[in-house]
Amino acid sequence: GEDVEQSLFLSVREGDSSVINCTYTDSSSTYLYWYKQEPGAGLQLLTYIFSNMDMKQDQRLTVLLNKKDKHLSLRIADTQTGDSAIYFCAERTRYNFNKFYFGSGTKLNVKP
Amino acid sequence: GAGVSQSPSNKVTEKGKDVELRCDPISGHTALYWYRQSLGQGLEFLIYFQGNSAPDKSGLPSDRFSAERTGGSVSTLTIQRTQQEDSAVYLCASSQGGSGDTDTQYFGPGTRLTVL
Repeated sequence: GEDVEQSLFLSVREGDSSVINCTYTDSSSTYLYWYKQEPGAGLQLLTYIFSNMDMKQDQRLTVLLNKKDKHLSLRIADTQTGDSAIYFCAERTRYNFNKFYFGSGTKLNVKP
Repeated sequence: GAGVSQSPSNKVTEKGKDVELRCDPISGHTALYWYRQSLGQGLEFLIYFQGNSAPDKSGLPSDRFSAERTGGSVSTLTIQRTQQEDSAVYLCASSQGGSGDTDTQYFGPGTRLTVL
C-alpha cells in the first residue's frame, strides 16, 4: 500500500529546532518530498531526497531517511515564526511514477 | 505564466448544481495534476495528464467528477450534481513531466469549494 502518516501538530518555541516525522509503507518509494503550505496558499516544495540517500541538508533544513524503518524526518534548525505552516511529506513510487502520495500534514506552531 | 493559477479562488454552490474549476499551468509544463484537500486531510490524488497520453483518472471518486485538458494547457475539473461531501480545496499542480528528480510539482493556490 501507499499509506503515508504524520502526526497532526507540533509546537515549538522560536529559536528551537523542529523535527517533523513521517512514516510510509511502500518499500518501492523512489523519491520522498517535503512540502510547506502557508494559510490560503498552495503547497511549496521545500526539499526532496532520493531513496538511496540517508541524509540531505539544505541551509536550515535537514532530511533524514531511515529506509529500513520507512521513516522520514524534516529538521528545521533555529525555527522562526515564519516557519509556522502545515508540512506535508509525500512519496513517489517506482510502480506508479505518476502519483504522489501525501500524508495528512503536520501543523507547526512556532511560539515567540 | 509566472506560476500555476486557479479560478475561482472560492466557489459556493447549492447541492445538486454543477461546478467547473479551472487551472492554468506553468507555460511549457506537460504534466498536470488535480488533488482534493479536505479539512484536516492530506492531498487526495484525483487525475493526472501527461502530454497527449490518456489521462490517469484512477483517483476520481465517482462518475460525477471529470476533467479535461484542452490543447495540452488549461484544464477544467467538472463536478456534476455536487454533494456536501464534495466541499474541499481543489489543488492543481503542474510539472515539466520528466521522471527524475527535476520533475518538481508546482502548486496553484487552490479553489475552495463549499456545497451548501
